[in-house]
Amino acid sequence: QKEVEQDPGPLSVPEGAIVSLNCTYSNSAFQYFMWYRQYSRKGPELLMYTYSSGNKEDGRFTAQVDKSSKYISLFIRDSQPSDSATYLCAMKSGGYQKVTFGTGTKLQVIP
Amino acid sequence: GAGVSQTPSNKVTEKGKYVELRCDPISGHTALYWYRQSLGQGPEFLIYFQGTGAADDSGLPNDRFFAVRPEGSVSTLKIQRTERGDSAVYLCASSLGHSNTEAFFGQGTRLTVV
Repeated sequence: QKEVEQDPGPLSVPEGAIVSLNCTYSNSAFQYFMWYRQYSRKGPELLMYTYSSGNKEDGRFTAQVDKSSKYISLFIRDSQPSDSATYLCAMKSGGYQKVTFGTGTKLQVIP
Repeated sequence: GAGVSQTPSNKVTEKGKYVELRCDPISGHTALYWYRQSLGQGPEFLIYFQGTGAADDSGLPNDRFFAVRPEGSVSTLKIQRTERGDSAVYLCASSLGHSNTEAFFGQGTRLTVV
């Protein structure tokens, strides 16, 4: 079993839709939770990070962490064609620099 | 430079050959990371440097892989006796320090072993 599970998709939605992306994990030591966006043939770029449980909002993006369920989510409101990319969840435990990534979910927003 | 720079952007090599991949981190970033990303997968951790020293090399798959960062800036990932299974995108990232969660990635080196 992988430490981090993420549905690879692809996920196709119409422009303006609310997108929900999710990951589950098995390592209870994870404390930092990140979401990266990766465009084709580019390196990942950090969208949001959250420490421990709770919600964090940044513009159209909301990250949620539920440590009791070992489940994290990223919501994208009013999705745009420019949001079309692969979204990677990532996490690490405190005191360590090794980041464990999910497989990524490929998102396509159709105009 | 403004971002993390990786060279070459593409590398095709024959099975059994030796390759070197270079990473030039953001100026002033003391932490540097190497990841490997296979097709359809997320990045897989290889090694982390804090300054000149490899603080965590637990992700290196075997002794054919080695990385150095002699002056605490540029890093080189070295792969000996390449195998077809080594084909992947090798990503480098850097961050300000060990407590900084935000790592900035380069565009990667696409390695193809034929």
